Amino acid sequence: SQQGEEDPQALSIQEGENATMNCSYKTSINNLQWYRQNSGRGLVHLILIRSNEREKHSGRLRVTLDTSKKSSSLLITASRAADTASYFCATGSSGGSEKLVFGKGTKLTVNP
Amino acid sequence: NAGVMQNPRHLVRRRGQEARLRCSPMKGHSHVYWYRQLPEEGLKFMVYLQKENIIDESGMPKERFSAEFPKEGPSILRIQQVVRGDSAAYFCASSNAGTDYEQYFGPGTRLTVT
Repeated sequence: SQQGEEDPQALSIQEGENATMNCSYKTSINNLQWYRQNSGRGLVHLILIRSNEREKHSGRLRVTLDTSKKSSSLLITASRAADTASYFCATGSSGGSEKLVFGKGTKLTVNP
Repeated sequence: NAGVMQNPRHLVRRRGQEARLRCSPMKGHSHVYWYRQLPEEGLKFMVYLQKENIIDESGMPKERFSAEFPKEGPSILRIQQVVRGDSAAYFCASSNAGTDYEQYFGPGTRLTVT
């Protein structure tokens, strides 16, 4: 069954604005990872946040994790046209399985 | 430091033929994962392997699909007697320790079945 569900499905903003994408999941997790995928290309790893962490930063990216609400958010500040891509959250579960379970993604368009 | 390598990048097969997809993990990584992505969808887990061992194949279709990661050489995802529904992008990922570590993805193989 689908674990991560991103929200919104599509987001269109102007360059310089901030973009916020949310992810909800259903079961206990070890970690949550965010990936970016440009059209027709492979996935680029952005950030991994572990279940005992609440917030992580990397450059213009900020990820939060609320395990009580089973949700995470990805914030991209001062967006650029080059940030246009699909963004996926993926959860790694507790219980020994190492597979990642992906949502359907948020398609972000940053207009110049 | 080369990333995850996959080949071929594009593969066209007629219905009934076999497809072989290859994946070389990042240097130093001993864990390999295969995922499938249909158009406008997220990735779906297929199989997780370590050298010479299949650890989790819960996402693999029961028939026609097999995977291996031999002691020497790349990991292979094999699809026998392909059907149109097998058309998708197949991604390989690797990590160096498994649980709680980043998985790094290759560029994918786009399989088209005609």
